[in-house]
Amino acid sequence: EAQVTQNPRYLITVTGKKLTVTCSQNMNHEYMSWYRQDPGLGLRQIYYSMNVEVTDKGDVPEGYKVSRKEKRNFPLILESPSPNQTSLYFCASSLFRGTYTDTQYFGPGTRLTVL
Amino acid sequence: GQQVMQIPQYQHVQEGEDFTTYCNSSTTLSNIQWYKQRPGGHPVFLIQLVKSGEVKKQKRLTFQFGEAKKNSSLHITATQTTDVGTYFCAANSNSGYALNFGKGTSLLVTP
Repeated sequence: EAQVTQNPRYLITVTGKKLTVTCSQNMNHEYMSWYRQDPGLGLRQIYYSMNVEVTDKGDVPEGYKVSRKEKRNFPLILESPSPNQTSLYFCASSLFRGTYTDTQYFGPGTRLTVL
Repeated sequence: GQQVMQIPQYQHVQEGEDFTTYCNSSTTLSNIQWYKQRPGGHPVFLIQLVKSGEVKKQKRLTFQFGEAKKNSSLHITATQTTDVGTYFCAANSNSGYALNFGKGTSLLVTP
């Protein structure tokens, strides 16, 4: 089954404790990205990756890191989480059509709370 | 990033009424995508438009891309309670490959 998986689905942590949210897709997609969703703000892109070892900042990259060492995986790293990073996070993947991205397939989401 | 403005933020309709959400940009877009997110769920792709003036239909849903490729709309005819959710538009940035989402329109349908 074609899918995007994220882990963990729920996480409560404390300020400053490094954490990683994993994302994996089985569709051989080139394009992967991370979004955060906050009430009234919609989906905001954090980072995206065009392919292995190619990443770029989205709208809200501060406080986040990513890596793309393999095509299927795109982990999101919070080196020193702060309460303002409490949010719902989505990973997504898609094919890339030269000048635009194709259908975004979203993972189920990770609800993060930073105390 | 490139701003994609979406209105209205909320819409409450009676079942059977029509619904429209609009997406606008100050710059020409290469594409526009529409997604639906049910409460507690993740966004699910509905459609993508890439051609100027393009109109596509999916049963009761009609999607349009403006002639100037700066605006788009999603129209639902005769809403049903299953249409409840938040509808997002999204477009790729002109200066890169970021994907910018509108803030979404939350649709509530009462029987």
